[in-house]
Amino acid sequence: AQTVTQSQPEMSVQEAETVTLSCTYDTSENNYYLFWYKQPPSRQMILVIRQEAYKQQNATENRFSVNFQKAAKSFSLKISDSQLGDTAMYFCAFGETSGSRLTFGEGTQLTVNP
Amino acid sequence: DSGVTQTPKHLITATGQRVTLRCSPRSGDLSVYWYQQSLDQGLQFLIQYYNGEERAKGNILERFSAQQFPDLHSELNLSSLELGDSALYFCASSGWEGFNSPLHFGNGTRLTVT
Repeated sequence: AQTVTQSQPEMSVQEAETVTLSCTYDTSENNYYLFWYKQPPSRQMILVIRQEAYKQQNATENRFSVNFQKAAKSFSLKISDSQLGDTAMYFCAFGETSGSRLTFGEGTQLTVNP
Repeated sequence: DSGVTQTPKHLITATGQRVTLRCSPRSGDLSVYWYQQSLDQGLQFLIQYYNGEERAKGNILERFSAQQFPDLHSELNLSSLELGDSALYFCASSGWEGFNSPLHFGNGTRLTVT
Protein backbone atom coordinates (compact mmCIF):
# COMPACT_ATOMS: atom_id res chain seq x y z
CA ALA A 1 0.00 0.00 0.00
CA GLN A 2 1.13 3.50 -0.74
CA THR A 3 1.90 5.92 2.04
CA VAL A 4 2.38 9.67 1.94
CA THR A 5 4.21 11.56 4.66
CA GLN A 6 4.26 15.27 5.33
CA SER A 7 6.68 15.87 8.17
CA GLN A 8 5.86 19.54 8.76
CA PRO A 9 2.51 19.94 10.57
CA GLU A 10 2.82 23.73 10.54
CA MET A 11 4.83 26.34 8.70
CA SER A 12 4.80 30.09 8.46
CA VAL A 13 6.27 32.55 5.99
CA GLN A 14 6.34 36.29 5.53
CA GLU A 15 4.36 37.78 2.70
CA ALA A 16 6.36 37.97 -0.57
CA GLU A 17 8.87 35.38 0.58
CA THR A 18 9.39 31.81 -0.59
CA VAL A 19 8.47 28.67 1.31
CA THR A 20 8.93 24.98 0.59
CA LEU A 21 6.63 22.25 1.86
CA SER A 22 7.97 18.70 2.06
CA CYS A 23 6.37 15.44 1.05
CA THR A 24 7.73 11.91 0.80
CA TYR A 25 5.90 8.82 -0.39
CA ASP A 26 6.40 5.12 -0.61
CA THR A 27 5.32 2.98 -3.53
CA SER A 28 6.46 0.06 -5.62
CA GLU A 29 4.75 1.47 -8.70
CA ASN A 30 6.75 3.01 -11.53
CA ASN A 31 4.00 5.11 -13.07
CA TYR A 32 1.83 7.30 -10.91
CA TYR A 33 0.65 10.84 -10.27
CA LEU A 34 1.46 13.20 -7.44
CA PHE A 35 -0.63 16.16 -6.42
CA TRP A 36 -0.68 19.10 -4.09
CA TYR A 37 -4.09 20.23 -2.91
CA LYS A 38 -4.85 23.36 -0.94
CA GLN A 39 -7.64 23.57 1.64
CA PRO A 40 -8.31 27.14 2.79
CA PRO A 41 -10.58 27.94 5.74
CA SER A 42 -13.52 27.68 3.35
CA ARG A 43 -12.61 23.93 3.44
CA GLN A 44 -12.81 23.46 -0.31
CA MET A 45 -10.13 21.16 -1.77
CA ILE A 46 -8.36 23.02 -4.56
CA LEU A 47 -5.87 21.40 -6.92
CA VAL A 48 -2.62 23.37 -6.86
CA ILE A 49 -0.34 21.32 -9.07
CA ARG A 50 0.02 17.86 -10.61
CA GLN A 51 3.09 15.84 -11.56
CA GLU A 52 3.21 12.71 -13.68
CA ALA A 53 5.95 10.36 -12.54
CA TYR A 54 7.17 9.51 -16.03
CA LYS A 55 7.86 13.18 -16.74
CA GLN A 56 11.26 14.26 -15.51
CA GLN A 57 10.50 17.95 -15.85
CA ASN A 58 9.17 19.51 -12.68
CA ALA A 59 5.64 20.90 -12.94
CA THR A 60 5.08 24.64 -12.57
CA GLU A 61 1.89 26.66 -12.15
CA ASN A 62 2.53 30.38 -11.83
CA ARG A 63 4.01 30.92 -8.33
CA PHE A 64 3.84 27.21 -7.49
CA SER A 65 6.47 24.70 -8.52
CA VAL A 66 7.54 21.26 -7.42
CA ASN A 67 10.83 19.51 -6.90
CA PHE A 68 10.16 15.91 -7.90
CA GLN A 69 12.90 13.46 -6.98
CA LYS A 70 11.65 10.06 -8.14
CA ALA A 71 14.54 7.98 -6.82
CA ALA A 72 14.27 9.61 -3.42
CA LYS A 73 10.45 9.45 -3.54
CA SER A 74 10.27 13.10 -2.65
CA PHE A 75 7.79 15.69 -3.92
CA SER A 76 8.17 19.15 -2.40
CA LEU A 77 6.11 22.23 -3.18
CA LYS A 78 7.69 25.64 -3.52
CA ILE A 79 5.54 28.73 -3.22
CA SER A 80 7.19 31.91 -4.45
CA ASP A 81 6.12 35.46 -3.62
CA SER A 82 3.79 34.17 -0.90
CA GLN A 83 0.45 35.94 -0.59
CA LEU A 84 -1.97 36.19 2.30
CA GLY A 85 -4.43 34.13 0.28
CA ASP A 86 -1.98 31.23 0.30
CA THR A 87 -2.80 30.64 3.96
CA ALA A 88 -4.30 27.16 3.99
CA MET A 89 -3.77 23.51 4.77
CA TYR A 90 -1.74 21.88 2.02
CA PHE A 91 -2.08 18.19 1.26
CA CYS A 92 0.26 16.04 -0.76
CA ALA A 93 -1.45 13.13 -2.52
CA PHE A 94 -0.49 10.05 -4.50
CA GLY A 95 -2.54 8.37 -7.21
CA GLU A 96 -1.79 5.22 -9.20
CA THR A 97 -1.96 5.72 -12.94
CA SER A 98 -4.79 3.28 -13.40
CA GLY A 99 -6.12 3.53 -9.91
CA SER A 100 -9.09 5.17 -8.34
CA ARG A 101 -7.98 6.36 -4.98
CA LEU A 102 -5.86 9.24 -3.86
CA THR A 103 -3.73 8.61 -0.80
CA PHE A 104 -3.27 11.82 1.14
CA GLY A 105 -0.62 12.96 3.56
CA GLU A 106 -1.48 14.42 6.95
CA GLY A 107 -1.29 17.98 5.71
CA THR A 108 0.83 21.06 6.43
CA GLN A 109 -0.85 24.17 7.80
CA LEU A 110 0.78 27.15 6.10
CA THR A 111 0.31 30.64 7.48
CA VAL A 112 1.41 33.66 5.49
CA ASN A 113 2.10 36.63 7.75
CA PRO A 114 1.77 40.26 6.62
CA ASP B 1 -16.14 27.07 -8.24
CA SER B 2 -15.21 23.47 -9.06
CA GLY B 3 -18.57 22.68 -10.64
CA VAL B 4 -19.17 19.83 -8.18
CA THR B 5 -22.26 20.42 -6.04
CA GLN B 6 -22.80 18.79 -2.68
CA THR B 7 -25.91 19.03 -0.56
CA PRO B 8 -26.56 19.67 2.23
CA LYS B 9 -23.66 21.79 3.43
CA HIS B 10 -24.28 20.92 7.05
CA LEU B 11 -26.09 18.05 8.70
CA ILE B 12 -26.67 17.49 12.40
CA THR B 13 -28.24 14.26 13.51
CA ALA B 14 -28.35 11.84 16.39
CA THR B 15 -26.65 8.51 16.89
CA GLY B 16 -28.46 5.61 15.32
CA GLN B 17 -29.99 7.71 12.58
CA ARG B 18 -29.59 7.47 8.80
CA VAL B 19 -28.64 10.29 6.43
CA THR B 20 -28.15 10.73 2.70
CA LEU B 21 -25.52 12.99 1.18
CA ARG B 22 -25.94 14.07 -2.40
CA CYS B 23 -23.40 14.96 -5.07
CA SER B 24 -23.80 16.36 -8.57
CA PRO B 25 -20.59 16.00 -10.59
CA ARG B 26 -19.22 18.55 -13.04
CA SER B 27 -21.02 18.55 -16.34
CA GLY B 28 -19.64 15.74 -18.49
CA ASP B 29 -17.73 13.99 -15.71
CA LEU B 30 -18.41 10.26 -15.49
CA SER B 31 -16.46 9.37 -12.35
CA VAL B 32 -17.58 10.22 -8.85
CA TYR B 33 -15.49 9.67 -5.74
CA TRP B 34 -16.37 9.95 -2.07
CA TYR B 35 -13.83 10.89 0.60
CA GLN B 36 -14.13 11.29 4.35
CA GLN B 37 -12.07 13.87 6.24
CA SER B 38 -11.93 13.43 9.99
CA LEU B 39 -9.56 14.75 12.63
CA ASP B 40 -8.18 11.36 13.58
CA GLN B 41 -8.16 9.60 10.18
CA GLY B 42 -7.34 12.46 7.85
CA LEU B 43 -8.59 12.22 4.26
CA GLN B 44 -9.72 8.71 3.41
CA PHE B 45 -11.02 7.34 0.13
CA LEU B 46 -14.40 5.66 0.51
CA ILE B 47 -15.70 4.61 -2.90
CA GLN B 48 -15.68 5.39 -6.61
CA TYR B 49 -18.31 5.07 -9.30
CA TYR B 50 -17.86 5.33 -13.04
CA ASN B 51 -20.85 5.81 -15.28
CA GLY B 52 -23.16 4.16 -12.80
CA GLU B 53 -20.94 1.23 -11.85
CA GLU B 54 -18.96 0.76 -8.68
CA ARG B 55 -15.26 0.76 -9.54
CA ALA B 56 -13.31 0.78 -6.31
CA LYS B 57 -13.86 0.58 -2.60
CA GLY B 58 -11.67 2.00 0.09
CA ASN B 59 -12.17 2.29 3.81
CA ILE B 60 -15.94 2.32 3.63
CA LEU B 61 -17.86 0.84 6.52
CA GLU B 62 -20.59 -1.72 5.95
CA ARG B 63 -23.05 0.77 7.45
CA PHE B 64 -22.28 3.07 4.52
CA SER B 65 -23.45 2.59 0.97
CA ALA B 66 -23.43 4.63 -2.19
CA GLN B 67 -24.80 4.64 -5.70
CA GLN B 68 -24.56 6.62 -8.90
CA PHE B 69 -27.73 7.24 -10.84
CA PRO B 70 -28.32 7.36 -14.62
CA ASP B 71 -28.08 11.16 -14.56
CA LEU B 72 -24.63 10.63 -12.94
CA HIS B 73 -25.43 12.21 -9.61
CA SER B 74 -24.40 10.16 -6.61
CA GLU B 75 -25.68 9.59 -3.11
CA LEU B 76 -23.82 8.39 -0.04
CA ASN B 77 -26.01 6.76 2.56
CA LEU B 78 -24.80 6.54 6.15
CA SER B 79 -26.83 4.46 8.58
CA SER B 80 -26.72 3.51 12.27
CA LEU B 81 -24.67 6.62 12.79
CA GLU B 82 -22.07 6.76 15.53
CA LEU B 83 -20.28 9.71 17.09
CA GLY B 84 -17.14 8.72 15.21
CA ASP B 85 -18.88 9.24 11.88
CA SER B 86 -18.77 12.97 12.44
CA ALA B 87 -16.61 14.28 9.62
CA LEU B 88 -16.46 16.30 6.44
CA TYR B 89 -17.56 14.21 3.48
CA PHE B 90 -16.26 15.22 0.08
CA CYS B 91 -17.44 14.26 -3.32
CA ALA B 92 -15.09 14.64 -6.28
CA SER B 93 -15.54 14.06 -9.97
CA SER B 94 -13.35 13.55 -13.01
CA GLY B 95 -13.84 13.00 -16.68
CA TRP B 96 -12.97 9.33 -16.62
CA GLU B 97 -11.14 6.75 -14.58
CA GLY B 98 -7.61 7.07 -13.37
CA PHE B 99 -5.80 10.34 -12.89
CA ASN B 100 -5.22 11.40 -16.46
CA SER B 101 -7.96 13.91 -15.77
CA PRO B 102 -7.72 15.77 -12.47
CA LEU B 103 -10.13 15.35 -9.61
CA HIS B 104 -12.36 18.30 -8.81
CA PHE B 105 -13.75 18.41 -5.30
CA GLY B 106 -17.03 19.79 -4.04
CA ASN B 107 -17.24 21.95 -0.92
CA GLY B 108 -18.13 18.99 1.26
CA THR B 109 -20.93 18.12 3.65
CA ARG B 110 -20.17 18.64 7.33
CA LEU B 111 -21.84 15.83 9.29
CA THR B 112 -22.17 16.16 13.04
CA VAL B 113 -23.50 13.19 14.99
CA THR B 114 -24.63 14.00 18.53
